[in-house]
Amino acid sequence: AQSVTQPDIHITVSEGASLELRCNYSYGATPYLFWYVQSPGQGLQLLLKYFSGDTLVQGIKGFEAEFKRSQSSFNLRKPSVHWSDAAEYFCAVVDLTGGGNKLTFGTGTQLKVEL
Amino acid sequence: DAGITQSPRHKVTETGTPVTLRCHQTENHRYMYWYRQDPGHGLRLIHYSYGVKDTDKGEVSDGYSVSRSKTEDFLLTLESATSSQTSVYFCAIQAGSYNEQFFGPGTRLTVL
Repeated sequence: AQSVTQPDIHITVSEGASLELRCNYSYGATPYLFWYVQSPGQGLQLLLKYFSGDTLVQGIKGFEAEFKRSQSSFNLRKPSVHWSDAAEYFCAVVDLTGGGNKLTFGTGTQLKVEL
Repeated sequence: DAGITQSPRHKVTETGTPVTLRCHQTENHRYMYWYRQDPGHGLRLIHYSYGVKDTDKGEVSDGYSVSRSKTEDFLLTLESATSSQTSVYFCAIQAGSYNEQFFGPGTRLTVL
């Protein structure tokens, strides 16, 4: 069965600093990977997605993620964090077996931004 | 905005009572999903639907049933609510060029 690990439960960065959130996945075939962001009390917003091709994918809000098959990783990055980026971030992998794009999520990383 | 609404947005109920949550979409997407979100677990799939009257179980389906009698509505029912079902419930639809999932605003359910 597929799985997703987000090793960091909480991360604190200073505004303007760079950010990297880690995500490792386990999946038997070529994975379809996503990053979502959730602001407090809100639903999930899709940041970016990877299906194939270029290993560096660009998303909304200045985020990017790099797919590394050899490391089974899909880390999220941002060069300069803004205070409004404080939120919880979820990595997810799609299970395509049995019909439907069933998502398996990691447990999330809570990002705090210090001003 | 993927045109997804969930009702109610908040509900407090007592153990043993039935509860139905509604997910409504306005764009006729075929696939719809119900997830629950709990601290330390991320989101976990409860049930999903691939068309009217076509549904299947997810990872944490015990204690839940679903129905889809119209394309636009996907209902999640807790036949007899338990305290372990206190959670935030999210509905999602599958859309976009790569069949991504888009989420509704969520329903916070508290079972006392």
